[in-house]
Amino acid sequence: EPEVTQTPSHQVTQMGQEVILRCVPISNHLYFYWYRQILGQKVEFLVSFYNNEISEKSEIFDDQFSVERPDGSNFTLKIRSTKLEDSAMYFCASSEGLLAGETDTQYFGPGTRLTVL
Amino acid sequence: AQKITQTQPGMFVQEKEAVTLDCTYDTSDQSYGLFWYKQPSSGEMIFLIYQGSYDEQNATEGRYSLNFQKARKSANLVISASQLGDSAMYFCAMREGQWLTGGGNKLTFGTGTQLKVEL
Repeated sequence: EPEVTQTPSHQVTQMGQEVILRCVPISNHLYFYWYRQILGQKVEFLVSFYNNEISEKSEIFDDQFSVERPDGSNFTLKIRSTKLEDSAMYFCASSEGLLAGETDTQYFGPGTRLTVL
Repeated sequence: AQKITQTQPGMFVQEKEAVTLDCTYDTSDQSYGLFWYKQPSSGEMIFLIYQGSYDEQNATEGRYSLNFQKARKSANLVISASQLGDSAMYFCAMREGQWLTGGGNKLTFGTGTQLKVEL
């Protein structure tokens, strides 16, 4: 069964460093998302991406964050200068859209646990 | 106001019993979707079940069913015949405004319910 994959599973970085989190969405999906979950808290939306553009972003997704689809399969989240409060689990998700009665269910990857020291 | 409210931070259930996890939501949209996800201790988010706001029947997926009461704005998850492997965090989530676009609308999550299945 197709699944969303994410690398790395764990990333430890120093404050102020740049990190790139990588995701491979399900191949026929059109919409891509990043969410984050600070330890013990609820899952929060960061950004959605469609047709090579950001379609929506939250207030969390400030200028330190960027997303890119560098090729036909990868979808990346870059944090330019990490802060301690960026420590969280970052989930990538993808969905196929609302075509032909589909439910546009978002399928999540296993997550990348980011620790900023 | 919270868009998704899960009032049970923790629940216990005996193996083989049924359990209901509560979820209420707040939206002014006519068209929306409700989802339940399971998050085991390993951390991944596993999709369980979906209910569309226009669906007249309650959704079912194997041992999972969704008790959808639109007038009360509730979408409770019912797990029948609980198994030890059902022990996990369960999140209710809502997607609004889906008919304004072709898809791609964000999910808003509740705070989750930690379910523990006991022998």
